[in-house]
Amino acid sequence: GQNIDQPTEMTATEGAIVQINCTYQTSGFNGLFWYQQHAGEAPTFLSYNVLDGLEEKGRFSSFLSRSKGYSYLLLKELQMKDSASYLCAVTDSNYQLIWGAGTKLIIKP
Amino acid sequence: DAMVIQNPRYQVTQFGKPVTLSCSQTLNHNVMYWYQQKSSQAPKLLFHYYDKDFNNEADTPDNFQSRRPNTSFCFLDIRSPGLGDAAMYLCATSTETGAAQPQHFGDGTRLSIL
Repeated sequence: GQNIDQPTEMTATEGAIVQINCTYQTSGFNGLFWYQQHAGEAPTFLSYNVLDGLEEKGRFSSFLSRSKGYSYLLLKELQMKDSASYLCAVTDSNYQLIWGAGTKLIIKP
Repeated sequence: DAMVIQNPRYQVTQFGKPVTLSCSQTLNHNVMYWYQQKSSQAPKLLFHYYDKDFNNEADTPDNFQSRRPNTSFCFLDIRSPGLGDAAMYLCATSTETGAAQPQHFGDGTRLSIL
């Protein structure tokens, strides 16, 4: 079966750095997305990785290792507004998007 | 601004009473998706349209149907809602179904069943 694993919940402090991990087992791989979803709202696109390495976009960076079936989302200089769920999603060999259940990130002052 | 719009944001219906959720887009994207998302769970794909070609996920209940009368609009019809159908329903669009295409989501409709 196809599976995306993320921690259910994480807590971090305002101003700090947090890394949210995602591991996947899918039938093929055609890219990995990270989305942010605030409570009661729709997911919004954060990043896309298809090659190994780090993609940096402002305070957010996303890393991919295809050989390990692993990605992480790194959030720097955390702000209270970063409190949200972060969803990892992988496109498989049939171009189907497989979603993780998301990691709820709680930011404390 | 180009966007994906879902109406209404909140919908309440009675057990067994048909309900229709609507989605419109000004992005002129070829692909439109309907997802069901329950609390703390991954979005579950129900259907998607590539232009007018309809694609039904194998495990989508027969109770759920969809229509796309034109590029801009897509509807989700729930014929006889049960208590288990209470969820957030998300509409999304993308330019193509290819690997590198992010999906753009509307704000969702939260459906409650009485």
